Amino acid sequence: TQLLEQSPQFLSIQEGENLTVYCNSSSVFSSLQWYRQEPGEGPVLLVTVVTGGEVKKLKRLTFQFGDARKDSSLHITAAQPGDTGLYLCAVDPSGGYNKLIFGAGTRLAVHP
Amino acid sequence: DAGVIQSPRHEVTEMGQEVTLRCKPISGHNSLFWYRQTMMRGLELLIYFNNNVPIDDSGMPEDRFSAKMPNASFSTLKIQPSEPRDSAVYFCASRTGTGGWYQPQHFGDGTRLSIL
Repeated sequence: TQLLEQSPQFLSIQEGENLTVYCNSSSVFSSLQWYRQEPGEGPVLLVTVVTGGEVKKLKRLTFQFGDARKDSSLHITAAQPGDTGLYLCAVDPSGGYNKLIFGAGTRLAVHP
Repeated sequence: DAGVIQSPRHEVTEMGQEVTLRCKPISGHNSLFWYRQTMMRGLELLIYFNNNVPIDDSGMPEDRFSAKMPNASFSTLKIQPSEPRDSAVYFCASRTGTGGWYQPQHFGDGTRLSIL
């Protein structure tokens, strides 16, 4: 059983649509990170959420950390082809930022 | 600023051969991480170093894998002998421990390894 379950695994949408992807666990974490990985590149950190119920916005991306700090969501408004990529959530169960465990990811394709 | 630099970008070799992957972290970063990414297992941490010292190698799959960091600007991940199941994309990342309570890991673009 994976520590972090991400859903959906794949998402194919048209430009302009809204979408939400999820990262769920049965464990409680002190913080959670979201990364985006584009083909042929390494993951790039988008955001770190640390407080239960926290909402962070990055342009058209909205990140929420669950009240119980067990889950998180990423909502994209008016998706663009540039949003295409693999979205990964990650945690360090020890509470630091070194020993990261990643979810399997959601692979998003946004078509013009 | 230069990011994390990995070489080679692609490596194709035959089973049984020794493979050496190289990483140059971002200057001034004192933590270095090696990851492996496959479709089946996703992105997994293999080993990480703080100040050139290996801290946690619990993710290293077996004795065929070894990693070294002889100085602050260079690290290697070696597989000897290589097997087809080692085929994956290997990433190196680095992180600074200064500048605040949290600093992110910065990833290189990876080495795509194929063992025939």
